Amino acid sequence: AQSVTQLDSHVSVSEGTPVLLRCNYSSSYSPSLFWYVQHPNKGLQLLLKYTSAATLVKGINGFEAEFKKSETSFHLTKPSAHMSDAAEYFCVVSDPDMRFGAGTRLTVKP
Amino acid sequence: ETGVTQTPRHLVMGMTNKKSLKCEQHLGHNAMYWYKQSAKKPLELMFVYSLEERVENNSVPSRFSPECPNSSHLFLHLHTLQPEDSALYLCASSQDLTVTGREQFFGPGTRLTVL
Repeated sequence: AQSVTQLDSHVSVSEGTPVLLRCNYSSSYSPSLFWYVQHPNKGLQLLLKYTSAATLVKGINGFEAEFKKSETSFHLTKPSAHMSDAAEYFCVVSDPDMRFGAGTRLTVKP
Repeated sequence: ETGVTQTPRHLVMGMTNKKSLKCEQHLGHNAMYWYKQSAKKPLELMFVYSLEERVENNSVPSRFSPECPNSSHLFLHLHTLQPEDSALYLCASSQDLTVTGREQFFGPGTRLTVL
């Protein structure tokens, strides 16, 4: 059975510093993996997805994620945080049923 | 209108009321979904429709009744709800049933408060 674990419920960074949001997954098959972002009172927006092509995936707003099969991880990174990045981030595994992580709240301090 | 729209955006109802949530997708997709998002809990899939037929119902109480009259519209009819049903209800659509790699597109949600 598939599952996804977001290792931090809350991450706080200063503006201009790197962002790392961690996600581990388990799956019986070769899954697809997604990161979604949810700003307050908004729906979920797709940031990026991995579908067995390049292991380093680039998304919108400067985010990227690396698929590491040996570590069953799909961590989300950004070199320099911006205030507008403050939101809830969800890691999702699909094989093909979609399973959502519990979310990581990113706070960006001025 | 583009993408996935939901109305109303906010709804307050008493436990004896009957109300409906509406979702419309303008993407030409064939599959639609209802999710419940409660504080401190992962997103919960409630219903899945493909080509207007319900294909999944994740043990949702009967006080929630979905309806999919065509591939562009999805409703969630609510009656005799409980305070614990207060949550953000999200609608999503995808090109077809979740094939590996096929992402879902989400609406902005309806914030429901049950008094």
